[in-house]
Amino acid sequence: AQSVTQLGSHVSVSEGALVLLRCNYSSSVPPYLFWYVQYPNQGLQLLLKYTSAATLVKGINGFEAEFKKSETSFHLTKPSAHMSDAAEYFCAVSGGSNYKLTFGKGTLLTVNP
Amino acid sequence: GAVVSQHPSWVICKSGTSVKIECRSLDFQATTMFWYRQFPKQSLMLMATSNEGSKATYEQGVEKDKFLINHASLTLSTLTVTSAHPEDSSFYICSASMNQGSTTDTQYFGPGTRLTVL
Repeated sequence: AQSVTQLGSHVSVSEGALVLLRCNYSSSVPPYLFWYVQYPNQGLQLLLKYTSAATLVKGINGFEAEFKKSETSFHLTKPSAHMSDAAEYFCAVSGGSNYKLTFGKGTLLTVNP
Repeated sequence: GAVVSQHPSWVICKSGTSVKIECRSLDFQATTMFWYRQFPKQSLMLMATSNEGSKATYEQGVEKDKFLINHASLTLSTLTVTSAHPEDSSFYICSASMNQGSTTDTQYFGPGTRLTVL
């Protein structure tokens, strides 16, 4: 079985500040990890994914995430927040013979001017 | 590239009627399509997985006779909510994958359909 825990349902940062969204996973097989972003009333857009290559993954819009097996974490970061980054962010895991995505509950990011 | 559309984007219907939602991959062939349901301020819950030309695989607890899924071509899947009731009101999102459900596949998501049952 696989699961994802996103710490903090709501994160608020100032424009220009560091963004850190936390994701911890549980998986009995080597995981594949994903971060998606959802803007209001829209579907999900892939930000980045980890598929057992480099542990530091760079994605779109300046986001990156680091896979840390020892900590079972895949936290999402961005050095400087923009107003346009305000959205809901979902971490997801798949792995082994299970290609289905299991999503975390999401973290709402607000960016203050 | 890899664009997925859904139609309609929102629908309001009366209790007891059926509603069909379409999911299309516009610029690629989708061997596998997924249907999710999302309640307000909650995560996505997988309802079913469908491969072109075969019956959908439903997740535990999802009524297959209520949520009919058809994946008749490599670019189109439909979800029909039969005899809809207010508790079926939700945001339905589809996704599509180019491959046969590999673990490293990227799922490309549609914009979602907001269903409100009165």
